[in-house]
Amino acid sequence: AQSVTQLGSHVSVSEGALVLLRCNYSSSVPPYLFWYVQYPNQGLQLLLKYTSAATLVKGINGFEAEFKKSETSFHLTKPSAHMSDAAEYFCAVTRTGTASKLTFGTGTRLQVTL
Amino acid sequence: DGGITQSPKYLFRKEGQNVTLSCEQNLNHDAMYWYRQDPGQGLRLIYYSQIVNDFQKGDIAEGYSVSREKKESFPLTVTSAQKNPTAFYLCASRAGLAGSYNEQFFGPGTRLTVL
Repeated sequence: AQSVTQLGSHVSVSEGALVLLRCNYSSSVPPYLFWYVQYPNQGLQLLLKYTSAATLVKGINGFEAEFKKSETSFHLTKPSAHMSDAAEYFCAVTRTGTASKLTFGTGTRLQVTL
Repeated sequence: DGGITQSPKYLFRKEGQNVTLSCEQNLNHDAMYWYRQDPGQGLRLIYYSQIVNDFQKGDIAEGYSVSREKKESFPLTVTSAQKNPTAFYLCASRAGLAGSYNEQFFGPGTRLTVL
């Protein structure tokens, strides 16, 4: 069964610093992987997705993620944090079988300080 | 504008009452999903539907029911059998066939509080 582990439920960075949010997956088949962002009391918005076309994926708001099969990782990065990046971030993997169901990680809350 | 709407934004109910959460999409998506979100637990799948008049249980379906009479609508009923219904509920939809890598689009959510 597919699963996702997000290391660190809370991450704090200074404005302008590198953002690194970790995601490791477990999948018996080549996975499709997603990063979503959620602002307080709102729905989820897609940041980027990996669909095997390229290992380095660029998303919205300056975020990118690199798929590393040997490390079963799909970490999310942004070179310079902005106050507006403060939110909760979820990594997800598509399950095998029908319906393209997603398995989500437990989320990482990013705090950005001055 | 295309998107997913959920109503109401906040919902309060007394213990023992059934309540129905609305989800409507105008994206012409075939698949729709309901998730429950609790602090520190991520999103858990309640029910999903791939086509009209068909739906399947997700991981935590007990105490919930759904219907899919129209392509654009997928209401969720939280019944009195759900032991801990207070949570944030999210509806999502997805284009394309099952097995595709198309992303799910999410609505703004409904926060249900049982008093």
